[in-house]
Amino acid sequence: KNEVEQSPQNLTAQEGEFITINCSYSVGISALHWLQQHPGGGIVSLFMLSSGKKKHGRLIATINIQEKHSSLHITASHPRDSAVYICAVETSSGDKLTFGTGTRLAVRP
Amino acid sequence: DTGVSQDPRHKITKRGQNVTFRCDPISEHNRLYWYRQTLGQGPEFLTYFQNEAQLEKSRLLSDRFSAERPKGSFSTLEIQRTEQGDSAMYLCAINTKVWGETQYFGPGTRLLVL
Repeated sequence: KNEVEQSPQNLTAQEGEFITINCSYSVGISALHWLQQHPGGGIVSLFMLSSGKKKHGRLIATINIQEKHSSLHITASHPRDSAVYICAVETSSGDKLTFGTGTRLAVRP
Repeated sequence: DTGVSQDPRHKITKRGQNVTFRCDPISEHNRLYWYRQTLGQGPEFLTYFQNEAQLEKSRLLSDRFSAERPKGSFSTLEIQRTEQGDSAMYLCAINTKVWGETQYFGPGTRLLVL
């Protein structure tokens, strides 16, 4: 069993829909990261969080430390949100990241 | 632009050849990470440096792999006697307090071993 599990693996949505991607982990962590990867490979950090909730534009990330679970929400989804979204954890501050396998999101116009 | 460049962006080589990749961060930082990503999977940790010191190596990093960070700034990753299974995207990332405590990734080097 992987230390970081994401669901769903693939997700197709219509433009404007509210999207949720889930991440569960089995180890103690100091922080959890949500990353976005576009075709071509570049990875961009969206959020780093260790508790509660963060919001940036149409993106919201939440984490429940007790349940070892995090969610990434996209409101009013747009085709440009189409990408792979990856959850990753670090077990101590500044340590290496352990990644989930990613969720491939396609938003159709 | 994440402030991390990698060179080359693409590399095609024949099995048995040696390849070297370079990672150049532009900002002040102390930690530099190498990850490998195969198709359809999330990245996997290979090794990381704090300044010049290589602090941890994954068991994925066989004897054919070596990484250096001679002056605590840029880093190189060399693969000797490449195998087809080495085909992957090799990603470099930095952890810097200048922009906040998160990891910033380079664009990656895509390696194809024929």
